[in-house]
Order: sequence, then structure tokens, then C-alpha cells
Amino acid sequence: GENVEQHPSTLSVQEGDSAVIKCTYSDSASNYFPWYKQELGKRPQLIIDIRSNVGEKKDQRIAVTLNKTAKHFSLHITETQPEDSAVYFCAASSNSGYALNFGKGTSLLVTP
Amino acid sequence: GAVVSQHPSWVICKSGTSVKIECRSLDFQATTMFWYRQFPKQSLMLMATSNEGSKATYEQGVEKDKFLINHASLTLSTLTVTSAHPEDSSFYICSVPGRARGTDTQYFGPGTRLTVL
Repeated sequence: GENVEQHPSTLSVQEGDSAVIKCTYSDSASNYFPWYKQELGKRPQLIIDIRSNVGEKKDQRIAVTLNKTAKHFSLHITETQPEDSAVYFCAASSNSGYALNFGKGTSLLVTP
Repeated sequence: GAVVSQHPSWVICKSGTSVKIECRSLDFQATTMFWYRQFPKQSLMLMATSNEGSKATYEQGVEKDKFLINHASLTLSTLTVTSAHPEDSSFYICSVPGRARGTDTQYFGPGTRLTVL
């Protein structure tokens, strides 16, 4: 089955700096890669996603890049703010099942 | 507004009792729903796929006789934790794939916090 690796597990940045979180996946059939932000005790919130036919997608301060050949994708957050502090999860799924396989998560702390 | 609801949002039960968690798709019909479990400070792990009109499919290591899933209708799936024990204490989240809406997006319920004493 699919195996999604996520790094780093914790990330601390100063307000205004950029943050990058990286994920790799193992199943070449995976074609959908969402990123979620989760605050304590709440459901995951989709912040951005990308399909395998696209190399990059951007939404204001958030961007995702995908390298299908290397089977890795990354989340980029620019101009970080304290309210960006949360746990971020990458995930992957394919058309064969649509269930999401999650990475282990990255705890992001943005200090003022 | 909310697309997926879960009930209850939290529950505390005694060891050995059974607990039922409901997941409802509010805006569209869903022939498939997913159940995830999340232990503290860990990731979401897929437990099972709930299928309308057929048996649920369980991930490796998940006991189907302990975690009973019933896809009662096109908008409702239930997860029953039977003979719950403290190690079953976790955050249970369901999701509904957005295929019926022509999207890859998964719609998550708000989760149910289960504490077994």
C-alpha cells in the first residue's frame, strides 16, 4: 500500500519567515495530494491540494510543488504569521480507493 | 456550512461497554465513507471503508468484530466500538469523498473524542 513520509516532524520559524514541509510517497498510482492544517481537537482543514497532472499550485501565501518522477511534494508557506502555528499533514490518494494516506505530521510554531 | 456531521462530539464510557458514533453526509449522497482514528500527537490512520449496500473493508490490523461499521443509508454510516477498553480511547473522524460533487476533496466530520475509563 501507499506509504507517505513527512519531514520535519517539528518546525519553528520566526514570524515573516518562510516554512517548507516535505513529503514523499511510494505508490506511483497516487494522483491527488492534499495538505491539511489541524488545530488541537479539531478536524483537518484542507489548505491546498494538487493533482498529479500539475507541477505547482499557489494560493496567496501557500504553495505546493509536486515532482512526480521523484515522488515528492512540498508545502511552502511564505510570510508566516503566528496563526499559522498548527500541525500540518500531507496526504496522498489514488483513484483506486480515494482513501487518504497521511504523513505523520509537522508541528509548526511561528514565533512573533 | 457543515457538509459532514458526527455525533456525539465526545463520549466517556466505562470499560466493556459499547459506543456508537454516527457520521452523516448532509449535502450529498455518499456510497462510500471513511473512518479514521487519531491517537494524541499522531497522524490520522485509516481504519475502514464504509460501503453502502455491502460489507465494510477494514485496514490491516483493525478488528472487524470490534469496530462494527454499518452504512445504514446513502447519508449515514455508523461505527460501533464494542467492548471498549482504555486503549480504544482516541479521536475518531469520518470523511466523505467528494466524488459525487466531481471533486477530489474529502469532507471530514468534526470528530468524536472517545475516552474509555
